[in-house]
Amino acid sequence: KAGVTQTPRYLIKTRGQQVTLSCSPISGHRSVSWYQQTPGQGLQFLFEYFSETQRNKGNFPGRFSGRQFSNSRSEMNVSTLELGDSALYLCASSLARGLAGGPRHNEQFFGPGTRLTVL
Amino acid sequence: DQQVKQNSPSLSVQEGRISILNCDYTNSMFDYFLWYKKYPAEGPTFLISISSIKDKNEDGRFTVFLNKSAKHLSLHIVPSQPGDSAVYFCAASAWGAQKLVFGQGTRLTINP
Repeated sequence: KAGVTQTPRYLIKTRGQQVTLSCSPISGHRSVSWYQQTPGQGLQFLFEYFSETQRNKGNFPGRFSGRQFSNSRSEMNVSTLELGDSALYLCASSLARGLAGGPRHNEQFFGPGTRLTVL
Repeated sequence: DQQVKQNSPSLSVQEGRISILNCDYTNSMFDYFLWYKKYPAEGPTFLISISSIKDKNEDGRFTVFLNKSAKHLSLHIVPSQPGDSAVYFCAASAWGAQKLVFGQGTRLTINP
């Protein structure tokens, strides 16, 4: 079974630009979460999508947004880039059945990440 | 406010011996805990998890122990192998939330 894929792997942008990152989850996984990793803050949760709906959101400004498509693929967008947005952006997928019931599957499987550099 | 803490930034262990990585948490709502291993320039790799209804879970060389009263968990790797050298993150989540809260990581080095 193919793992989580993220594109592009590396990206260089300048301040003020916007960027879109893409994530394809493991086949059959309906939940996609995004994380930001920086040396100073570690791994921090951005948001989670399930069945095209954002279910959870972390403490990031509105410049960070995302969406999920009907095939569970997800995109993350950052507008008006700042130097501090330079980071490794990681996408993770999981089975995560609906909250109403079913076994809990919190094991999240990560992609290789997109390294974003803002100049 | 760091809800998940890994107080040891690094750990060095001899090959064949036991590696013990520790993690503390403060949020009583956390009920599911996971350990991930990460190599540079790669995403974290899931290792093992434990639900709060258990106090131990084993998978091959990896065992996770959970002490709910102390809000402490540990990962034991026996025997340690050179390929285990990586950064290890513990993570926690609360029921109904997919959000994982990560510790800062512990860099494990296995010496031959």
